[in-house]
Amino acid sequence: QQQVKQSPQSLIVQKGGISIINCAYENTAFDYFPWYQQFPGKGPALLIAIRPDVSEKKEGRFTISFNKSAKQFSLHIMDSQPGDSATYFCAARSSGGSNYKLTFGKGTLLTVNP
Amino acid sequence: DSGVTQTPKHLITATGQRVTLRCSPRSGDLSVYWYQQSLDQGLQFLIQYYNGEERAKGNILERFSAQQFPDLHSELNLSSLELGDSALYFCASSVTWQSETQYFGPGTRLLVL
Repeated sequence: QQQVKQSPQSLIVQKGGISIINCAYENTAFDYFPWYQQFPGKGPALLIAIRPDVSEKKEGRFTISFNKSAKQFSLHIMDSQPGDSATYFCAARSSGGSNYKLTFGKGTLLTVNP
Repeated sequence: DSGVTQTPKHLITATGQRVTLRCSPRSGDLSVYWYQQSLDQGLQFLIQYYNGEERAKGNILERFSAQQFPDLHSELNLSSLELGDSALYFCASSVTWQSETQYFGPGTRLLVL
């Protein structure tokens, strides 16, 4: 059972455009939602994260929008740059019980054309 | 550079064999996680250790085992390897077992022929 569904699988954006990646989750116990960025040959790196008590979080050109009632969250990359070309993973985690593992979406390959 | 190191970087082996992947966490981090990344399954959590003790288990096969040593480095042992075990294996670390931020290593690419 895939607990975090991510779309689209791949995305091509022109330089300067807005990249939008969406995720939906099922487990209402999730209370921490990070986005990871992965470049080829590297491990994933934390990009930005949000908790469900806020609807939006912005760090530079990266913004997470969170809709608790719809159980959806999305990553917006403003003024996308070729250097943003990477695979992006959304994830979710619950802070209850003894298992704090991250559940990842399947990833979105973003290509930003110059 | 996350500060997490993994060796080897690449590993090519045959079906039925056994391999050991090694991970050194960031200085000061007590918790280590292992993930498997494949094209069809994405990033799958395998197992977590905290200060030498197993903390949580995910989709880890019985042919796989792991441990965390007193110096906090961890090893993932994969035995009776099958073609389908070919994947990227990542180690991540965090300060405690409850920490939100996990720092990933560069991964070990395993190819089973």
